[in-house]
Amino acid sequence: EAQVTQNPRYLITVTGKKLTVTCSQNMNHEYMSWYRQDPGLGLRQIYYSMNVEVTDKGDVPEGYKVSRKEKRNFPLILESPSPNQTSLYFCASSLSFRAGAYEQYFGPGTRLTVT
Amino acid sequence: GQNIDQPTEMTATEGAIVQINCTYQTSGFNGLFWYQQHAGEAPTFLSYNVLDGLEEKGRFSSFLSRSKGYSYLLLKELQMKDSASYLCASSGYSTLTFGKGTMLLVSP
Repeated sequence: EAQVTQNPRYLITVTGKKLTVTCSQNMNHEYMSWYRQDPGLGLRQIYYSMNVEVTDKGDVPEGYKVSRKEKRNFPLILESPSPNQTSLYFCASSLSFRAGAYEQYFGPGTRLTVT
Repeated sequence: GQNIDQPTEMTATEGAIVQINCTYQTSGFNGLFWYQQHAGEAPTFLSYNVLDGLEEKGRFSSFLSRSKGYSYLLLKELQMKDSASYLCASSGYSTLTFGKGTMLLVSP
């Protein structure tokens, strides 16, 4: 089944404890992206990757890191999480992003709480 | 990123037709997506417009006017399961910018 998977689905952690949220897709998609969704603010892009080894900042990259060593995986790293990073996180992928013509497939989401 | 405006909430009755509007800035614009998101779930793709005009897909249609920076999503024969948030998203060169979403509540 074609899908985007994220792990963990739920995470409660403490301020400053490094964490990684994994994202994997099995559709051979070139483009991958991370979003956070907060009430009243909608979906905001954190980082995106046009292809392997090519990543760039989205609208809200502060406090996050990403890497794209393989086509299928795009982990999101929080080196020192803070309470303002408490949010619902979505990973998404699409076949390509040339002319923005391809729909994005979203993972199920990771609900992160930082205390 | 681009500024995208859409109404926060709308209500409608089962069987009715509802139109959700979306306005966006036109600079660097490539196309316009609509996604549906049920509470607690991931967004799912509904439609994509790159040219002016109406795209029809079953009960859902989407319209785009590039010169006016305007789009709408039209939902016909509303069903209770259509109660969800509808996200308008503007596609630029390499990123997708989402509006804050329109929460649609369908009542019997």
